Amino acid sequence: EVKLVESGGGLVQPGRSLKLSCAASGFSFNDYWMGWVRQAPGKGLEWIGEINQDSSTINYTPSLKDKFTISRDNAQNTLYLQMSKLGSEDTAIYYCARPRQYWGQGVMVTVSS
Amino acid sequence: DIQMTQSPASLSASLGETVTIECLASEDIYSNLAWYQQKPGKSPQLLIYDASSLQDGVPSRFSGSESGTQYSLEINSLQSEDAATYFCQQHHDYPRTFGGGTKLELK
Repeated sequence: EVKLVESGGGLVQPGRSLKLSCAASGFSFNDYWMGWVRQAPGKGLEWIGEINQDSSTINYTPSLKDKFTISRDNAQNTLYLQMSKLGSEDTAIYYCARPRQYWGQGVMVTVSS
Repeated sequence: DIQMTQSPASLSASLGETVTIECLASEDIYSNLAWYQQKPGKSPQLLIYDASSLQDGVPSRFSGSESGTQYSLEINSLQSEDAATYFCQQHHDYPRTFGGGTKLELK
């Protein structure tokens, strides 16, 4: 069974950084592109970016490219999202996904003082 | 960026009815479109991929079609469990972009 479990969310002050993790299991992690999607409260889905199998190609939505960094550790079957300079507009549920078929349950990030 | 214009934003329908949700792509996406269903408090679930291919385990009352850059999701014989928000997403080009969503309410 494919499982994607996000962690690392919580309350963070504006301007600070936060790193999310996504633990993958039930499939050969290093064979697949992986990605992140977020959803602000009561809003639609926003695609953040995707990383290929060996991390040689990473695509971001342009507006987040300078703030967010996606990485992966194939030995640990883990996907990461490093977020910096966080603002209130980054308050959202962050989903890890194996595009397009599998999604994690999401982790909440709240940016507030 | 490819814009995905989804309509309607919301709709209300009765059990047993048929509804159609549409997404208009700002350019040709060559059938690289997915449809998702999201229920409150849950992550999105893939319904349709490549515009018209039904994901394993999804009821056959869901179907996808296309006409040019217009993509449609049809739900036949509405069931109570179909009350949800539906999103389209193009996966032809980066950045991948989503439609704004359609909230389906059952009367």
